[in-house]
Amino acid sequence: DAGITQSPRYKITETGRQVTLMCHQTWSHSYMFWYRQDLGHGLRLIYYSAAADITDKGEVPDGYVVSRSKTENFPLTLESATRSQTSVYFCASSDPGETQPQHFGDGTRLSIL
Amino acid sequence: EDQVTQSPEALRLQEGESSSLNCSYTVSGLRGLFWYRQDPGKGPEFLFTLYSAGEEKEKERLKATLTKKESFLHITAPKPEDSATYLCAVPDSGAGSYQLTFGKGTKLSVIP
Repeated sequence: DAGITQSPRYKITETGRQVTLMCHQTWSHSYMFWYRQDLGHGLRLIYYSAAADITDKGEVPDGYVVSRSKTENFPLTLESATRSQTSVYFCASSDPGETQPQHFGDGTRLSIL
Repeated sequence: EDQVTQSPEALRLQEGESSSLNCSYTVSGLRGLFWYRQDPGKGPEFLFTLYSAGEEKEKERLKATLTKKESFLHITAPKPEDSATYLCAVPDSGAGSYQLTFGKGTKLSVIP
């Protein structure tokens, strides 16, 4: 089925560990995005990518690393997880153009103990 | 700094009781406004894009309108399945990044 898939859906890990969240889309959208959603803050952009091998920081990039070697995949890595990174993470994709809607996956709920 | 404010934070309606949700924004050179619906445990689902003041879009019981300062999502004769959090978002003022600023959402509960 066409769409955007995130894995895992749920993850529990410990502070200091590295964890990677996966995102895969089948629409061939050039743009991909990573957001975190926290109570009281709403959705905040972490990183985005305009195409393979092109990435840029969003509002809250500290502590996160992204890569995009293939158009369809956009993994997000927490290199040394901290409790403040406990959140729900959403991946999105869109066609280029500021008025193109972003389409979201169903999220990864990450808990860092 | 671009800001998007949604009100109310939460809204309880009886089934069939029409109402409106508000999204006000401060952004220079608005290039569009998006409405999304988010169900618990799911990602935001795209509903509408509004491009310019005066524009209206409709989908089933939902109608979105846009002025120069705010947008409204009107819900006519809501049903329990309309219960969700509704988010609005605008593209950032800076050109070319396609970054969105989201409001914190309005949680709508429709009681049978």
